[in-house]
Amino acid sequence: NAGVTQTPKFQVLKTGQSMTLQCAQDMNHNSMYWYRQDPGMGLRLIYYSASEGTTDKGEVPNGYNVSRLNKREFSLRLESAAPSQTSVYFCASSPRGVHYGYTFGSGTRLTVV
Amino acid sequence: DQQVKQNSPSLSVQEGRISILNCDYTNSMFDYFLWYKKYPAEGPTFLISISSIKDKNEDGRFTVFLNKSAKHLSLHIVPSQPGDSAVYFCAASPTGTASKLTFGTGTRLQVTL
Repeated sequence: NAGVTQTPKFQVLKTGQSMTLQCAQDMNHNSMYWYRQDPGMGLRLIYYSASEGTTDKGEVPNGYNVSRLNKREFSLRLESAAPSQTSVYFCASSPRGVHYGYTFGSGTRLTVV
Repeated sequence: DQQVKQNSPSLSVQEGRISILNCDYTNSMFDYFLWYKKYPAEGPTFLISISSIKDKNEDGRFTVFLNKSAKHLSLHIVPSQPGDSAVYFCAASPTGTASKLTFGTGTRLQVTL
């Protein structure tokens, strides 16, 4: 079982460039999430998708867009990268709600210079 | 506004002794709590959870205690092992299928020989 797969694992961008972080899960989970992890800040929710066809903003959505392409895939797009978006990004999925916990991918380390 | 707080950034414990990790929350709507463990360069993995209808939940060496009146929970690891060395995140959520987790800032546990 692959679980949650994130690509790429590492990326360096110049300020103003755009990119899309890809996430796919093979567990038939309904809900998917994008978090960022910064030193001293823990994990903060960027966007989530409670079910296929729906997306909602989390705690820190500014500068990001998402697409729930189908039940398996949930992508995160940076339209114009800024140094403040340097972070480690984690995608997660869950069957529905929080009671089963989330399954996380291994992360994408993004540096914006 | 940090709704879930882990006030100890780091903790060092000798192998075989008890590790106690603490977490405080401010949102009265939170009624489901989880602990995640994270190794470097990996995504967080679910460890143990507790619902607000309980005050204790055990799973092997791991026990979570919940004090609702104090809005405080703790994770006990007995006995601690070197493989427990990781960052531990506390997370909380209101109950509901559309609920999403709010994470604390994490505590780095080092288990020494």
